Amino acid sequence: AQRVTQPEKLLSVFKGAPVELKCNYSYSGSPELFWYVQYSRQRLQLLLRHISRESIKGFTADLNKGETSFHLKKPFAQEEDSAMYYCALYTTGGGYQKVTFGIGTKLQVIP
Amino acid sequence: GAGVSQSPRYKVAKRGQDVALRCDPISGHVSLFWYQQALGQGPEFLTYFQNEAQLDKSGLPSDRFFAERPEGSVSTLKIQRTQQEDSAVYLCASSLGSGRGRQTQYFGPGTRLLVL
Repeated sequence: AQRVTQPEKLLSVFKGAPVELKCNYSYSGSPELFWYVQYSRQRLQLLLRHISRESIKGFTADLNKGETSFHLKKPFAQEEDSAMYYCALYTTGGGYQKVTFGIGTKLQVIP
Repeated sequence: GAGVSQSPRYKVAKRGQDVALRCDPISGHVSLFWYQQALGQGPEFLTYFQNEAQLDKSGLPSDRFFAERPEGSVSTLKIQRTQQEDSAVYLCASSLGSGRGRQTQYFGPGTRLLVL
Protein backbone atom coordinates (compact mmCIF):
# COMPACT_ATOMS: atom_id res chain seq x y z
CA ALA A 1 0.00 0.00 0.00
CA GLN A 2 1.16 3.51 -0.66
CA ARG A 3 0.91 6.27 1.85
CA VAL A 4 1.90 9.93 2.15
CA THR A 5 2.50 11.52 5.52
CA GLN A 6 2.59 15.24 6.17
CA PRO A 7 3.19 15.43 9.91
CA GLU A 8 2.32 19.08 10.40
CA LYS A 9 -1.19 20.34 9.80
CA LEU A 10 -0.11 23.92 10.48
CA LEU A 11 3.26 25.58 10.13
CA SER A 12 3.72 29.21 11.13
CA VAL A 13 6.88 31.10 10.24
CA PHE A 14 7.87 34.72 10.17
CA LYS A 15 8.42 36.52 6.89
CA GLY A 16 12.02 36.06 5.80
CA ALA A 17 12.51 32.88 7.81
CA PRO A 18 13.33 29.55 6.16
CA VAL A 19 10.49 27.14 5.47
CA GLU A 20 10.48 23.36 5.38
CA LEU A 21 7.28 21.45 4.76
CA LYS A 22 7.78 17.80 5.48
CA CYS A 23 6.56 14.92 3.35
CA ASN A 24 7.33 11.24 3.81
CA TYR A 25 6.02 8.48 1.62
CA SER A 26 5.64 4.76 1.76
CA TYR A 27 5.98 2.85 -1.49
CA SER A 28 8.14 -0.07 -2.47
CA GLY A 29 8.56 0.82 -6.13
CA SER A 30 9.89 3.85 -7.97
CA PRO A 31 7.81 6.83 -6.92
CA GLU A 32 7.03 10.13 -8.55
CA LEU A 33 6.42 12.92 -6.12
CA PHE A 34 4.64 16.22 -6.58
CA TRP A 35 3.81 19.22 -4.47
CA TYR A 36 0.46 20.93 -5.05
CA VAL A 37 -0.58 24.25 -3.55
CA GLN A 38 -3.95 25.82 -2.90
CA TYR A 39 -4.04 29.55 -2.29
CA SER A 40 -7.06 31.10 -0.62
CA ARG A 41 -10.13 30.94 -2.84
CA GLN A 42 -8.19 29.31 -5.67
CA ARG A 43 -8.12 25.80 -7.01
CA LEU A 44 -5.48 23.24 -6.32
CA GLN A 45 -2.51 23.65 -8.66
CA LEU A 46 0.85 22.08 -9.27
CA LEU A 47 3.80 23.70 -7.54
CA LEU A 48 6.61 21.40 -8.57
CA ARG A 49 7.53 17.84 -9.57
CA HIS A 50 10.59 15.95 -8.49
CA ILE A 51 11.44 14.84 -12.02
CA SER A 52 11.78 18.46 -13.12
CA ARG A 53 14.32 19.37 -10.46
CA GLU A 54 13.10 22.92 -10.78
CA SER A 55 12.68 25.83 -8.43
CA ILE A 56 9.26 27.42 -8.48
CA LYS A 57 8.56 30.64 -6.58
CA GLY A 58 11.78 29.99 -4.69
CA PHE A 59 10.66 26.54 -3.53
CA THR A 60 12.69 23.40 -4.10
CA ALA A 61 12.16 19.78 -3.14
CA ASP A 62 14.59 16.90 -3.33
CA LEU A 63 13.53 13.29 -3.43
CA ASN A 64 15.47 11.30 -0.84
CA LYS A 65 14.81 7.64 -1.51
CA GLY A 66 16.86 6.53 1.48
CA GLU A 67 14.70 8.50 3.86
CA THR A 68 11.59 8.20 1.66
CA SER A 69 11.11 11.94 1.91
CA PHE A 70 10.27 14.81 -0.40
CA HIS A 71 10.45 17.87 1.81
CA LEU A 72 9.58 21.27 0.36
CA LYS A 73 11.96 24.08 1.20
CA LYS A 74 12.30 27.79 0.73
CA PRO A 75 15.10 29.88 2.23
CA PHE A 76 13.08 33.04 2.84
CA ALA A 77 9.32 32.89 3.33
CA GLN A 78 7.09 35.55 1.81
CA GLU A 79 3.59 36.51 2.89
CA GLU A 80 2.20 35.36 -0.45
CA ASP A 81 3.44 31.85 0.32
CA SER A 82 0.63 31.44 2.85
CA ALA A 83 -1.47 28.57 1.51
CA MET A 84 -2.29 24.87 1.85
CA TYR A 85 0.42 22.57 0.55
CA TYR A 86 -0.21 18.98 -0.42
CA CYS A 87 2.36 16.33 -1.19
CA ALA A 88 1.26 13.72 -3.72
CA LEU A 89 2.63 10.33 -4.68
CA TYR A 90 2.08 8.96 -8.18
CA THR A 91 2.61 5.38 -9.12
CA THR A 92 1.98 3.80 -12.49
CA GLY A 93 1.87 0.33 -13.86
CA GLY A 94 0.24 -1.20 -16.89
CA GLY A 95 -1.16 2.17 -17.91
CA TYR A 96 -2.77 2.66 -14.50
CA GLN A 97 -2.18 5.66 -12.34
CA LYS A 98 -2.56 5.69 -8.60
CA VAL A 99 -2.42 9.01 -6.82
CA THR A 100 -2.22 9.44 -3.07
CA PHE A 101 -2.33 12.85 -1.44
CA GLY A 102 -1.16 13.78 2.00
CA ILE A 103 -3.44 15.48 4.47
CA GLY A 104 -1.90 18.87 3.69
CA THR A 105 0.03 21.46 5.65
CA LYS A 106 -1.26 24.96 6.10
CA LEU A 107 1.62 27.41 5.85
CA GLN A 108 1.06 30.68 7.60
CA VAL A 109 3.66 33.39 7.03
CA ILE A 110 3.53 36.03 9.71
CA PRO A 111 4.41 39.57 8.58
CA GLY B 1 -7.25 28.06 -22.77
CA ALA B 2 -10.12 26.88 -20.63
CA GLY B 3 -9.27 24.88 -17.57
CA VAL B 4 -11.19 22.11 -15.90
CA SER B 5 -14.71 23.14 -15.04
CA GLN B 6 -17.18 21.56 -12.66
CA SER B 7 -20.87 22.05 -12.10
CA PRO B 8 -22.69 22.77 -9.98
CA ARG B 9 -20.27 24.62 -7.73
CA TYR B 10 -22.56 24.11 -4.74
CA LYS B 11 -25.22 21.53 -4.13
CA VAL B 12 -27.50 21.11 -1.15
CA ALA B 13 -29.32 17.80 -1.07
CA LYS B 14 -31.76 16.22 1.31
CA ARG B 15 -30.70 12.89 2.70
CA GLY B 16 -31.83 10.16 0.34
CA GLN B 17 -31.78 12.36 -2.74
CA ASP B 18 -29.72 11.44 -5.80
CA VAL B 19 -27.15 13.94 -7.11
CA ALA B 20 -25.07 14.22 -10.27
CA LEU B 21 -21.84 16.16 -10.45
CA ARG B 22 -20.34 17.13 -13.77
CA CYS B 23 -16.74 17.58 -14.82
CA ASP B 24 -15.49 19.10 -18.08
CA PRO B 25 -11.79 18.29 -18.42
CA ILE B 26 -9.25 20.13 -20.52
CA SER B 27 -9.72 19.20 -24.15
CA GLY B 28 -7.40 16.40 -25.21
CA HIS B 29 -6.64 15.21 -21.70
CA VAL B 30 -6.73 11.45 -21.59
CA SER B 31 -6.77 10.92 -17.84
CA LEU B 32 -9.54 12.07 -15.52
CA PHE B 33 -9.70 11.67 -11.76
CA TRP B 34 -12.35 12.20 -9.13
CA TYR B 35 -11.48 12.97 -5.53
CA GLN B 36 -13.44 13.52 -2.36
CA GLN B 37 -12.10 16.11 0.06
CA ALA B 38 -13.59 16.25 3.51
CA LEU B 39 -13.08 19.29 5.70
CA GLY B 40 -9.50 19.49 6.94
CA GLN B 41 -8.35 16.53 4.85
CA GLY B 42 -6.42 16.04 1.66
CA PRO B 43 -8.07 14.88 -1.54
CA GLU B 44 -9.01 11.20 -1.36
CA PHE B 45 -8.92 9.27 -4.61
CA LEU B 46 -12.29 7.97 -5.81
CA THR B 47 -11.88 6.82 -9.39
CA TYR B 48 -9.79 7.20 -12.53
CA PHE B 49 -10.58 7.13 -16.25
CA GLN B 50 -8.32 6.76 -19.21
CA ASN B 51 -10.41 8.03 -22.09
CA GLU B 52 -13.79 6.32 -21.59
CA ALA B 53 -12.41 3.37 -19.68
CA GLN B 54 -12.76 3.41 -15.91
CA LEU B 55 -9.48 1.76 -14.93
CA ASP B 56 -9.68 2.15 -11.20
CA LYS B 57 -12.71 2.64 -9.00
CA SER B 58 -11.19 1.29 -5.84
CA GLY B 59 -11.73 4.56 -3.98
CA LEU B 60 -15.50 4.72 -4.39
CA PRO B 61 -16.79 4.40 -0.82
CA SER B 62 -19.92 2.42 -1.60
CA ASP B 63 -22.09 1.14 -4.40
CA ARG B 64 -24.11 4.33 -4.10
CA PHE B 65 -21.28 6.08 -5.96
CA PHE B 66 -21.08 5.70 -9.71
CA ALA B 67 -18.95 7.51 -12.29
CA GLU B 68 -18.97 7.52 -16.05
CA ARG B 69 -17.18 9.12 -18.96
CA PRO B 70 -19.00 7.67 -21.96
CA GLU B 71 -17.29 9.59 -24.76
CA GLY B 72 -13.94 10.08 -23.14
CA SER B 73 -14.41 13.74 -22.32
CA VAL B 74 -17.11 14.94 -19.90
CA SER B 75 -17.52 12.86 -16.78
CA THR B 76 -20.36 12.56 -14.30
CA LEU B 77 -20.13 11.39 -10.71
CA LYS B 78 -23.47 10.21 -9.41
CA ILE B 79 -24.30 9.62 -5.79
CA GLN B 80 -27.50 7.77 -5.06
CA ARG B 81 -29.47 8.02 -1.81
CA THR B 82 -27.12 10.60 -0.39
CA GLN B 83 -26.12 10.38 3.26
CA GLN B 84 -24.78 13.06 5.56
CA GLU B 85 -21.32 11.53 5.45
CA ASP B 86 -21.23 12.25 1.72
CA SER B 87 -20.93 15.96 2.49
CA ALA B 88 -17.59 17.06 1.08
CA VAL B 89 -15.94 18.86 -1.78
CA TYR B 90 -15.72 16.70 -4.89
CA LEU B 91 -12.74 17.52 -7.05
CA CYS B 92 -12.17 16.59 -10.65
CA ALA B 93 -8.73 16.67 -12.26
CA SER B 94 -7.44 15.86 -15.72
CA SER B 95 -4.01 15.20 -17.15
CA LEU B 96 -2.46 14.51 -20.53
CA GLY B 97 -1.86 10.88 -19.66
CA SER B 98 0.08 8.50 -17.49
CA GLY B 99 3.54 8.77 -18.97
CA ARG B 100 6.38 10.70 -17.42
CA GLY B 101 5.92 14.40 -17.96
CA ARG B 102 2.21 13.94 -18.69
CA GLN B 103 0.99 13.28 -15.18
CA THR B 104 0.54 16.84 -13.94
CA GLN B 105 -3.06 17.12 -12.84
CA TYR B 106 -5.14 20.20 -13.51
CA PHE B 107 -7.90 20.59 -11.00
CA GLY B 108 -11.36 21.99 -11.28
CA PRO B 109 -12.80 24.34 -8.65
CA GLY B 110 -14.71 21.53 -7.01
CA THR B 111 -18.35 20.94 -6.17
CA ARG B 112 -19.23 21.49 -2.53
CA LEU B 113 -21.95 19.02 -1.57
CA LEU B 114 -23.93 19.44 1.62
CA VAL B 115 -26.36 16.72 2.58
CA LEU B 116 -28.95 17.72 5.15
